[in-house]
Amino acid sequence: DQQVKQNSPSLSVQEGRISILNCDYTNSMFDYFLWYKKYPAEGPTFLISISSIKDKNEDGRFTVFLNKSAKHLSLHIVPSQPGDSAVYFCAASFSGGGADGLTFGKGTHLIIQP
Amino acid sequence: DTGVSQDPRHKITKRGQNVTFRCDPISEHNRLYWYRQTLGQGPEFLTYFQNEAQLEKSRLLSDRFSAERPKGSFSTLEIQRTEQGDSAMYLCASSLVAKGTQYFGPGTRLLVL
Repeated sequence: DQQVKQNSPSLSVQEGRISILNCDYTNSMFDYFLWYKKYPAEGPTFLISISSIKDKNEDGRFTVFLNKSAKHLSLHIVPSQPGDSAVYFCAASFSGGGADGLTFGKGTHLIIQP
Repeated sequence: DTGVSQDPRHKITKRGQNVTFRCDPISEHNRLYWYRQTLGQGPEFLTYFQNEAQLEKSRLLSDRFSAERPKGSFSTLEIQRTEQGDSAMYLCASSLVAKGTQYFGPGTRLLVL
């Protein structure tokens, strides 16, 4: 059962425009969410995170929005640049006791068109 | 470079052989994680350590897999009697605090023939 879902396997966006990547989760116990970016043959690189006590977190060109009632988060990249072409993973964890590993979605391949 | 490092980056082995991978975390991080990623999937959690103690193991970690972190610094992941289904990218990550941001290494790509 996929607890973190990224329903768009790929997304193509023109350079300079906004890229919006979406993520849904089913486990209401998740309260900390992260986005990672991955280039081929490299490990995931941390981009931005958000705690469930917030609904928005911004870092430069990257903004993450969290809608807890809908169990949905999104990553906005503005403006999109060619170097943003990569696979983006949404990940979730919960701050309660027990499991410390991250649960990842399957990823969205973002392609920035010149 | 003070990031997470993994060795080797690539490993090709024959079915039935044993393989061992090494991970060196960021030096001040006391938490170390192992994940596996197969084609078209996100990373899947395998196990994690706080210092030298292995605190959690996923059901994905069969009896053929063993992980150690003997001195609370680097960690090794061994796969015994490899199977073709073990072919994957094995990722290591570390974090400073519980539930904190995890920083990943470049991974070890394993191919079992």
